Amino acid sequence: GENVEQHPSTLSVQEGDSAVIKCTYSDSASNYFPWYKQELGKRPQLIIDIRSNVGEKKDQRIAVTLNKTAKHFSLHITETQPEDSAVYFCAARGSNSGYALNFGKGTSLLVTP
Amino acid sequence: GAVVSQHPSRVICKSGTSVKIECRSLDFQATTMFWYRQFPKQSLMLMATSNEGSKATYEQGVEKDKFLINHASLTLSTLTVTSAHPEDSSFYICSASNRDWGYTFGSGTRLTVV
Repeated sequence: GENVEQHPSTLSVQEGDSAVIKCTYSDSASNYFPWYKQELGKRPQLIIDIRSNVGEKKDQRIAVTLNKTAKHFSLHITETQPEDSAVYFCAARGSNSGYALNFGKGTSLLVTP
Repeated sequence: GAVVSQHPSRVICKSGTSVKIECRSLDFQATTMFWYRQFPKQSLMLMATSNEGSKATYEQGVEKDKFLINHASLTLSTLTVTSAHPEDSSFYICSASNRDWGYTFGSGTRLTVV
């Protein structure tokens, strides 16, 4: 099945700096790559997603890039704010398991004022 | 937007008892429901995939007789944890899909088995 690797596991940045989280996937048939923000005890919240026919997508301070050849995708957050502090998960929609999302292990982002 | 209602949000049960968790899609038809389990400070791990009217497909290592999934309608799926043990304590969360690329998550259920 699909295997999603995510790095780093923890990331600490100063307010205003950029944060980058990287993921790789194993299933070349994967075609949908969402990113989620999860606060403690809450459901994952979709922040941005990208489909395999697109290389980059941006929404205000958040952007995602996809390299299908290398099978990796990245989340970029610019001008970080303390409220960006949370756990971020990447996911890939594979061709197995009924098209379920397979999640990376998560990145705990801390933005310090 | 699409909403999935999950109940209960929190439950404490005694070892050996069973607990049922419900997920309802309120404003769309969920052709597929995914059930995940999340242990503290870990990722969401897929337990099973269910399609309306058919048997669920379980991931390797997930006991189908222990985690009973029913997806009898396009708006309701249930997960029953049978003969619960302390090691089953976890955050269980459902995700509904309507084949339109969208995945809508329930609010999760914090299960504590004492």
